[in-house]
Amino acid sequence: ETGVTQTPRHLVMGMTNKKSLKCEQHLGHNAMYWYKQSAKKPLELMFVYNFKEQTENNSVPSRFSPECPNSSHLFLHLHTLQPEDSALYLCASSQNHDRANTGELFFGEGSRLTVL
Amino acid sequence: KNEVEQSPQNLTAQEGEFITINCSYSVGISALHWLQQHPGGGIVSLFMLSSGKKKHGRLIATINIQEKHSSLHITASHPRDSAVYICAVRLRNAGNMLTFGGGTRLMVKP
Repeated sequence: ETGVTQTPRHLVMGMTNKKSLKCEQHLGHNAMYWYKQSAKKPLELMFVYNFKEQTENNSVPSRFSPECPNSSHLFLHLHTLQPEDSALYLCASSQNHDRANTGELFFGEGSRLTVL
Repeated sequence: KNEVEQSPQNLTAQEGEFITINCSYSVGISALHWLQQHPGGGIVSLFMLSSGKKKHGRLIATINIQEKHSSLHITASHPRDSAVYICAVRLRNAGNMLTFGGGTRLMVKP
């Protein structure tokens, strides 16, 4: 138990569906992240929220839309995805001393997404 | 070429063996992370270091900033250590972005 909870753990969706991934952290951290892990590729950063503000968008297609309503919750809204978007989506949080200094990362268990 | 290279990519060991996993990077960094990912997918942060050496239980992480190299050692390995070990670096002036290595898949046999 890392203090970061992701739901759902598994999701299968069609290309025309709209779904959302949810992440909640119980650690009092001030930064949250979405990472994508595709088969046989290194982890890729997608989005970073510092103090509820989006500070990084790593050239992610607009069919992925993040939302951070407060410092404990992070969503990833999914719309008209492609089969190549099938991957493990990992949420993480950290306590950053400032926007440039990342503290230790705490990861959730991941949401495994399959797009048909 | 990835900015972060790990070796070996795959490693099989017998229970009790001393294990070393290496990470080399090609650019200036401000911190390096070692992460452990179990088959279910969840990732646990093992170490974050910017100099010297850290120890936690049977795990030891070292970093040599001049040589741009870090090692993760596991003493008295156990089957429950079987996982993918990932090295990640935070590049200088890159804010919160981490660059990840491809991982080392470790299997420890009883």
